[in-house]
Amino acid sequence: NAGVTQTPKFQVLKTGQSMTLQCAQDMNHNSMYWYRQDPGMGLRLIYYSASEGTTDKGEVPNGYNVSRLNKREFSLRLESAAPSQTSVYFCASRDRGYEQYFGPGTRLTVT
Amino acid sequence: QKEVEQNSGPLSVPEGAIASLNCTYSDRGSQSFFWYRQYSGKSPELIMSIYSNGDKEDGRFTAQLNKASQYVSLLIRDSQPSDSATYLCAVRTGAGSYQLTFGKGTKLSVIP
Repeated sequence: NAGVTQTPKFQVLKTGQSMTLQCAQDMNHNSMYWYRQDPGMGLRLIYYSASEGTTDKGEVPNGYNVSRLNKREFSLRLESAAPSQTSVYFCASRDRGYEQYFGPGTRLTVT
Repeated sequence: QKEVEQNSGPLSVPEGAIASLNCTYSDRGSQSFFWYRQYSGKSPELIMSIYSNGDKEDGRFTAQLNKASQYVSLLIRDSQPSDSATYLCAVRTGAGSYQLTFGKGTKLSVIP
């Protein structure tokens, strides 16, 4: 069991470039989440998917889009990256008991 | 605004002592409570969950919940240098909610 996997681990973008962060889980969880973590700000929810076929905005959705491709995969897209999106991005999935399990993270720098 | 507050620390304790980490939350409707440990440069790792008032013990860790006072705490007994990390408190607010609200974390240093 790999748990939650994320690609890439590191990425550097120029302002205005686009990219997609990939997330997959092999725990048969229904719900998946995207967070960003910034110094002094803690973990903030960007988007989540309660179940396959549904997505909802979290606390900081502006500048992002998501796709729940199937039960295993949940991707996060930055259409036009901005320096304010420099952060560490974590994907998580949830089991029936509301406990969330995190992937290893993607460290993104936008210059 | 549903808030989860933690003392940012750093909290320094000597090896072998008890470390006490505290968290308060603003939403009285909060249902479930979690503690995560995050080593520097790593992802959060779930270490405890607690759903009802009282204490829950797991090895050297004890979570304590007091819904009337709206606080949850984590005690680490016999602290080890390997416990040095940032500890995140997370709260699920409202029945049917799938979201967690996280505190900003308390940095713990265990001094050998």
